[in-house]
Amino acid sequence: DTGVSQDPRHKITKRGQNVTFRCDPISEHNRLYWYRQTLGQGPEFLTYFQNEAQLEKSRLLSDRFSAERPKGSFSTLEIQRTEQGDSAMYLCASSPTTGRRKNEQFFGPGTRLTVL
Amino acid sequence: GESVGLHLPTLSVQEGDNSIINCAYSNSASDYFIWYKQESGKGPQFIIDIRSNMDKRQGQRVTVLLNKTVKHLSLQIAATQPGDSAVYFCAPKARDKLVFGAGTILRVKS
Repeated sequence: DTGVSQDPRHKITKRGQNVTFRCDPISEHNRLYWYRQTLGQGPEFLTYFQNEAQLEKSRLLSDRFSAERPKGSFSTLEIQRTEQGDSAMYLCASSPTTGRRKNEQFFGPGTRLTVL
Repeated sequence: GESVGLHLPTLSVQEGDNSIINCAYSNSASDYFIWYKQESGKGPQFIIDIRSNMDKRQGQRVTVLLNKTVKHLSLQIAATQPGDSAVYFCAPKARDKLVFGAGTILRVKS
């Protein structure tokens, strides 16, 4: 399967713990996005990368959140000192920047985080 | 700020009927629009897109209409099937970001 993959698919953690999620984009896509989705809502933009450069971060992304894409391929999203309000689905998407489908974002299956 | 709203949060249709899902957006700078389908427990799946210089685009069983004057989009699904049951999102794009609304639930009755 050459789509976007995310790991883990589910994570249950206790409040105050740190968690890290991984996203592997489609290999030729140089843009990578992170979104958060809560129940009954659409995905909300968190941040995105072009290659290894983080180009924009949402105000939603508090200082407990950090994202990296060190080699311009996979990305990690870390949440420190998790809170119950962090419980959500974390979605990753990638897109090409050239070609006919350059604006289209391809989503992964998401990581569902539950903070107890 | 940007916002996207949907007129009908839940739409129930009979199998075989046509479905129309509406979406209003607020950012006039949006130059590209995508409709996504999301099934339970899965990530959003691309259905169809349209650029701001078009007012209609057709795909397989789906048609998207764009009215920039009133900032409105619609997704038409022909001959709706049980497999079409999902949440549908319109996502306008501006400055490389997609802005999703809350979505419309489509339920197909057999």
